Amino acid sequence: LAKTTQPISMDSYEGQEVNITCSHNNIATNDYITWYQQFPSQGPRFIIQGYKTKVTNEVASLFIPADRKSSTLSLPRVSLSDTAVYYCLVGYNAGNMLTFGGGTRLMVKP
Amino acid sequence: EAGVVQSPRYKIIEKKQPVAFWCNPISGHNTLYWYLQNLGQGPELLIRYENEEAVDDSQLPKDRFSAERLKGVDSTLKIQPAELGDSAVYLCASSLDVIGLNTGELFFGEGSRLTVL
Repeated sequence: LAKTTQPISMDSYEGQEVNITCSHNNIATNDYITWYQQFPSQGPRFIIQGYKTKVTNEVASLFIPADRKSSTLSLPRVSLSDTAVYYCLVGYNAGNMLTFGGGTRLMVKP
Repeated sequence: EAGVVQSPRYKIIEKKQPVAFWCNPISGHNTLYWYLQNLGQGPELLIRYENEEAVDDSQLPKDRFSAERLKGVDSTLKIQPAELGDSAVYLCASSLDVIGLNTGELFFGEGSRLTVL
Protein backbone atom coordinates (compact mmCIF):
# COMPACT_ATOMS: atom_id res chain seq x y z
CA LEU A 1 0.00 0.00 0.00
CA ALA A 2 1.21 3.48 -0.83
CA LYS A 3 2.48 5.48 2.13
CA THR A 4 1.37 9.08 2.44
CA THR A 5 3.07 12.02 4.11
CA GLN A 6 1.27 15.19 5.14
CA PRO A 7 2.13 18.19 7.32
CA ILE A 8 1.10 17.61 10.92
CA SER A 9 -0.64 20.95 11.26
CA MET A 10 -1.47 24.20 9.47
CA ASP A 11 -2.89 27.52 10.56
CA SER A 12 -4.96 29.87 8.44
CA TYR A 13 -7.35 32.80 8.75
CA GLU A 14 -10.92 33.11 7.69
CA GLY A 15 -11.37 33.93 4.03
CA GLN A 16 -7.98 32.61 2.95
CA GLU A 17 -7.34 29.77 0.55
CA VAL A 18 -5.71 26.75 2.17
CA ASN A 19 -3.60 24.23 0.31
CA ILE A 20 -2.64 20.95 1.97
CA THR A 21 -0.12 18.82 0.13
CA CYS A 22 0.22 15.07 0.46
CA SER A 23 3.22 13.08 -0.77
CA HIS A 24 2.70 9.55 -2.08
CA ASN A 25 5.88 8.64 -3.91
CA ASN A 26 5.06 4.95 -4.41
CA ILE A 27 1.55 5.41 -5.74
CA ALA A 28 0.54 2.58 -8.05
CA THR A 29 -0.92 2.91 -11.52
CA ASN A 30 -4.41 1.91 -10.42
CA ASP A 31 -4.46 4.00 -7.25
CA TYR A 32 -6.82 6.89 -6.67
CA ILE A 33 -6.26 9.72 -4.19
CA THR A 34 -8.96 10.43 -1.66
CA TRP A 35 -9.26 13.10 1.00
CA TYR A 36 -11.33 12.92 4.16
CA GLN A 37 -12.24 15.54 6.76
CA GLN A 38 -12.81 14.78 10.42
CA PHE A 39 -14.36 17.00 13.07
CA PRO A 40 -14.01 16.22 16.79
CA SER A 41 -16.34 13.49 18.00
CA GLN A 42 -17.31 12.52 14.46
CA GLY A 43 -16.19 9.94 11.96
CA PRO A 44 -14.20 11.01 8.89
CA ARG A 45 -16.19 12.39 5.98
CA PHE A 46 -15.32 12.02 2.30
CA ILE A 47 -14.33 15.30 0.65
CA ILE A 48 -12.96 14.59 -2.80
CA GLN A 49 -11.29 11.94 -4.92
CA GLY A 50 -9.18 12.10 -8.05
CA TYR A 51 -6.85 10.16 -10.32
CA LYS A 52 -5.01 12.83 -12.28
CA THR A 53 -5.01 16.54 -13.18
CA LYS A 54 -7.69 18.52 -11.37
CA VAL A 55 -10.97 17.66 -9.74
CA THR A 56 -13.36 20.21 -8.30
CA ASN A 57 -16.56 19.88 -6.34
CA GLU A 58 -18.66 22.21 -4.23
CA VAL A 59 -16.33 21.85 -1.27
CA ALA A 60 -12.77 21.65 -2.56
CA SER A 61 -10.38 21.17 -5.45
CA LEU A 62 -7.80 18.46 -5.83
CA PHE A 63 -4.69 19.07 -7.89
CA ILE A 64 -2.63 16.10 -9.03
CA PRO A 65 0.56 16.62 -11.09
CA ALA A 66 1.44 14.42 -14.01
CA ASP A 67 3.76 12.14 -12.01
CA ARG A 68 1.04 11.66 -9.37
CA LYS A 69 3.63 11.48 -6.60
CA SER A 70 1.85 14.18 -4.67
CA SER A 71 -1.53 15.86 -4.50
CA THR A 72 -2.84 19.14 -3.12
CA LEU A 73 -6.19 19.67 -1.49
CA SER A 74 -7.33 23.25 -1.94
CA LEU A 75 -10.01 24.77 0.28
CA PRO A 76 -11.19 28.13 -1.04
CA ARG A 77 -12.02 30.92 1.42
CA VAL A 78 -11.96 28.85 4.59
CA SER A 79 -14.20 29.62 7.54
CA LEU A 80 -13.95 28.73 11.21
CA SER A 81 -16.05 25.64 10.54
CA ASP A 82 -13.30 24.23 8.32
CA THR A 83 -11.16 23.66 11.41
CA ALA A 84 -10.67 19.90 11.31
CA VAL A 85 -8.23 17.13 10.56
CA TYR A 86 -7.71 16.31 6.89
CA TYR A 87 -6.52 12.88 5.77
CA CYS A 88 -5.03 11.85 2.44
CA LEU A 89 -5.48 8.22 1.37
CA VAL A 90 -4.24 6.33 -1.65
CA GLY A 91 -5.64 3.11 -3.06
CA TYR A 92 -7.62 1.62 -5.92
CA ASN A 93 -10.92 1.04 -4.18
CA ALA A 94 -12.57 1.55 -0.83
CA GLY A 95 -11.39 -1.84 0.35
CA ASN A 96 -7.81 -1.04 -0.53
CA MET A 97 -7.30 2.53 0.67
CA LEU A 98 -7.46 1.69 4.32
CA THR A 99 -4.51 3.51 5.86
CA PHE A 100 -5.32 6.95 7.22
CA GLY A 101 -2.03 8.12 8.66
CA GLY A 102 -1.85 11.04 11.08
CA GLY A 103 -3.60 13.63 8.95
CA THR A 104 -3.17 17.42 8.90
CA ARG A 105 -4.75 19.48 11.66
CA LEU A 106 -6.05 22.69 10.14
CA MET A 107 -6.80 25.55 12.51
CA VAL A 108 -8.74 28.46 11.03
CA LYS A 109 -8.52 31.64 13.07
CA PRO A 110 -10.81 34.67 13.01
CA GLU B 1 -31.15 8.23 3.76
CA ALA B 2 -29.88 6.94 7.09
CA GLY B 3 -26.15 6.89 7.60
CA VAL B 4 -24.04 4.38 9.48
CA VAL B 5 -25.49 3.93 12.94
CA GLN B 6 -23.38 2.94 15.91
CA SER B 7 -24.22 2.26 19.53
CA PRO B 8 -23.52 3.00 22.24
CA ARG B 9 -21.97 6.44 21.69
CA TYR B 10 -20.21 6.28 25.03
CA LYS B 11 -19.27 3.43 27.31
CA ILE B 12 -17.37 3.45 30.58
CA ILE B 13 -16.31 0.15 32.08
CA GLU B 14 -13.78 -1.19 34.51
CA LYS B 15 -10.84 -3.19 33.27
CA LYS B 16 -11.40 -6.88 32.75
CA GLN B 17 -15.08 -6.27 31.97
CA PRO B 18 -16.53 -7.20 28.57
CA VAL B 19 -17.93 -4.63 26.15
CA ALA B 20 -19.72 -4.80 22.82
CA PHE B 21 -20.31 -2.27 20.07
CA TRP B 22 -22.96 -2.49 17.42
CA CYS B 23 -22.98 -1.12 13.89
CA ASN B 24 -25.72 -0.87 11.29
CA PRO B 25 -24.25 0.06 7.90
CA ILE B 26 -25.91 1.97 5.10
CA SER B 27 -28.50 -0.19 3.40
CA GLY B 28 -27.06 -2.10 0.46
CA HIS B 29 -23.42 -1.55 1.40
CA ASN B 30 -21.62 -4.85 1.09
CA THR B 31 -18.37 -3.89 2.82
CA LEU B 32 -18.12 -3.05 6.51
CA TYR B 33 -15.11 -1.87 8.48
CA TRP B 34 -14.22 -1.49 12.12
CA TYR B 35 -11.57 1.07 12.95
CA LEU B 36 -9.92 2.06 16.21
CA GLN B 37 -8.93 5.69 16.74
CA ASN B 38 -6.72 6.80 19.57
CA LEU B 39 -6.70 10.43 20.65
CA GLY B 40 -4.76 12.58 18.22
CA GLN B 41 -4.18 9.79 15.73
CA GLY B 42 -5.75 8.62 12.51
CA PRO B 43 -8.13 5.65 12.38
CA GLU B 44 -6.52 2.21 12.28
CA LEU B 45 -8.28 -0.67 10.60
CA LEU B 46 -9.22 -3.59 12.84
CA ILE B 47 -11.28 -5.72 10.48
CA ARG B 48 -12.98 -5.53 7.10
CA TYR B 49 -15.96 -7.60 5.99
CA GLU B 50 -17.17 -8.26 2.49
CA ASN B 51 -20.74 -9.33 3.09
CA GLU B 52 -20.47 -11.80 5.97
CA GLU B 53 -16.86 -12.80 5.32
CA ALA B 54 -13.98 -11.23 7.23
CA VAL B 55 -11.48 -10.59 4.44
CA ASP B 56 -8.91 -8.62 6.43
CA ASP B 57 -8.57 -9.14 10.17
CA SER B 58 -4.80 -9.05 10.40
CA GLN B 59 -4.85 -6.05 12.77
CA LEU B 60 -7.50 -7.45 15.11
CA PRO B 61 -6.04 -8.56 18.48
CA LYS B 62 -7.72 -11.92 18.45
CA ASP B 63 -6.89 -12.83 22.02
CA ARG B 64 -9.43 -10.33 23.32
CA PHE B 65 -11.25 -8.86 20.33
CA SER B 66 -13.87 -10.59 18.24
CA ALA B 67 -16.28 -9.44 15.59
CA GLU B 68 -19.13 -10.86 13.63
CA ARG B 69 -21.36 -9.80 10.79
CA LEU B 70 -24.20 -12.24 10.67
CA LYS B 71 -26.29 -12.20 7.49
CA GLY B 72 -23.93 -9.65 6.02
CA VAL B 73 -25.68 -6.62 7.47
CA ASP B 74 -25.24 -5.52 11.11
CA SER B 75 -21.99 -6.12 12.89
CA THR B 76 -20.84 -6.43 16.47
CA LEU B 77 -17.35 -5.83 17.84
CA LYS B 78 -16.60 -7.32 21.23
CA ILE B 79 -13.74 -6.90 23.67
CA GLN B 80 -13.30 -9.40 26.48
CA PRO B 81 -11.65 -8.67 28.80
CA ALA B 82 -11.07 -4.95 28.29
CA GLU B 83 -7.73 -3.42 29.24
CA LEU B 84 -6.82 0.15 30.09
CA GLY B 85 -5.14 0.55 26.71
CA ASP B 86 -8.37 -0.23 24.89
CA SER B 87 -9.72 3.23 25.72
CA ALA B 88 -10.35 4.77 22.31
CA VAL B 89 -13.05 5.55 19.78
CA TYR B 90 -14.29 2.59 17.78
CA LEU B 91 -15.50 3.64 14.35
CA CYS B 92 -17.62 1.64 11.98
CA ALA B 93 -17.72 2.40 8.27
CA SER B 94 -19.37 0.92 5.22
CA SER B 95 -18.93 1.13 1.47
CA LEU B 96 -20.40 -0.21 -1.72
CA ASP B 97 -17.75 -2.08 -3.62
CA VAL B 98 -18.34 -3.38 -7.09
CA ILE B 99 -15.67 -5.31 -8.94
CA GLY B 100 -14.13 -3.12 -11.58
CA LEU B 101 -15.72 0.06 -10.27
CA ASN B 102 -13.82 2.43 -8.04
CA THR B 103 -15.98 3.94 -5.37
CA GLY B 104 -13.33 4.84 -2.84
CA GLU B 105 -15.79 6.36 -0.43
CA LEU B 106 -16.14 5.11 3.10
CA PHE B 107 -19.15 6.26 5.10
CA PHE B 108 -18.40 6.47 8.79
CA GLY B 109 -20.59 6.38 11.85
CA GLU B 110 -20.07 8.78 14.73
CA GLY B 111 -18.13 6.21 16.69
CA SER B 112 -18.34 4.61 20.10
CA ARG B 113 -16.08 6.14 22.71
CA LEU B 114 -14.79 3.58 25.21
CA THR B 115 -13.24 4.50 28.53
CA VAL B 116 -11.69 1.70 30.54
CA LEU B 117 -11.04 2.53 34.20
